Amino acid sequence: DAGITQSPRHKVTETGTPVTLRCHQTENHRYMYWYRQDPGHGLRLIHYSYGVKDTDKGEVSDGYSVSRSKTEDFLLTLESATSSQTSVYFCAIRTGTGNEQFFGPGTRLTVL
Amino acid sequence: GIQVEQSPPDLILQEGANSTLRCNFSDSVNNLQWFHQNPWGQLINLFYIPSGTKQNGRLSATTVATERYSLLYISSSQTTDSGVYFCAVPGQGNLIFGKGTKLSVKP
Repeated sequence: DAGITQSPRHKVTETGTPVTLRCHQTENHRYMYWYRQDPGHGLRLIHYSYGVKDTDKGEVSDGYSVSRSKTEDFLLTLESATSSQTSVYFCAIRTGTGNEQFFGPGTRLTVL
Repeated sequence: GIQVEQSPPDLILQEGANSTLRCNFSDSVNNLQWFHQNPWGQLINLFYIPSGTKQNGRLSATTVATERYSLLYISSSQTTDSGVYFCAVPGQGNLIFGKGTKLSVKP
């Protein structure tokens, strides 16, 4: 357990609505990540952060934005949710040594 | 970019059997992780293994970085070992995952 929580754990929303997912860590790790997991695609990186206010895009960033105003929280926002964003979203942190990553429990998002 | 391939894609075992899962990667890497995703969706870290061999109970892993592969051994399998096993290597700041091996252990 790397002290990572995600909220909400489950959410159902409608197309066109904004959605924000929260990742919270308790151990002051610098690097945080958002991935999505879909059948047939495995886990793919959406965005990541390498410090407060420092973020960068990943492989599947279109339609998503992120913010990190303090070390412990990394927010993922879907400005206008679409059905293609129905997925399981995982947050991860990277420990200081090497590049070992640990994952949160995931958020299952359904966009109707 | 780097490609990660896992085999076999599916594996069905009887409880008590042993198994070997393989992860091949297309370029040199400086670390590799194995994860178990249990039936509830949780991703559990098994090994962080850039090279060499590590053991943790009934599980062990070996990475041969020069030959670009890693093996995960599960001995005396139990029904609680069921789930999907992923290997992952570093990409551009992220981890690149293989598609996983789905393991089903029957009682």
